[in-house]
Amino acid sequence: DAKTTQPPSMDCAEGRAANLPCNHSTISGNEYVYWYRQIHSQGPQYIIHGLKNNETNEMASLIITEDRKSSTLILPHATLRDTAVYYCILQGGSEKLVFGKGMKLTVNP
Amino acid sequence: DTAVSQTPKYLVTQMGNDKSIKCEQNLGHDTMYWYKQDSKKFLKIMFSYNNKELIINETVPNRFSPKSPDKAHLNLHINSLELGDSAVYFCATRRGGGTDTQYFGPGTRLTVL
Repeated sequence: DAKTTQPPSMDCAEGRAANLPCNHSTISGNEYVYWYRQIHSQGPQYIIHGLKNNETNEMASLIITEDRKSSTLILPHATLRDTAVYYCILQGGSEKLVFGKGMKLTVNP
Repeated sequence: DTAVSQTPKYLVTQMGNDKSIKCEQNLGHDTMYWYKQDSKKFLKIMFSYNNKELIINETVPNRFSPKSPDKAHLNLHINSLELGDSAVYFCATRRGGGTDTQYFGPGTRLTVL
């Protein structure tokens, strides 16, 4: 079972920042927080991951709380193409990615 | 060049048939996976192969058999297809083990009539 909790859906206006929350209160010390997204009918796409420090790449920023029990994925300037299901996943030493239900982000014009 | 490719993209077949889905990667990654996404959109791992060796085998019926002829290919054979096998099947790869990023293929939509 997935160890993360995300709201089922969220709307965002085009051009605004999208802040996607994720709770993972039972996270273990060796588990990373990974974010993937799945645009309709496509394979999941890696976005970003982190262990305890905040991370930023060309797609997004990841903010992890100090106690590591929650995190926020930030898309700084959402576009229509960012409409997708976003998955927050914990990954430790196991090979497996355990996907939950994810959160549907809809970016509106 | 597509990093992870799958063929066919769509597959429609009758119950009881045997079919195969092919996956090829040109990333030089060591580990390959098969995932199944059912009609409720849950995405679950089925198998994992590392250097042609089976690493993960979830509770998948033995009608499903992965075959890895070489490091760049992981094919999925399904015997005696059932209605419940209808789903989208995704291949994925990972460079090493542990927490390396996974790269997914475009998916194969299997419909069993």
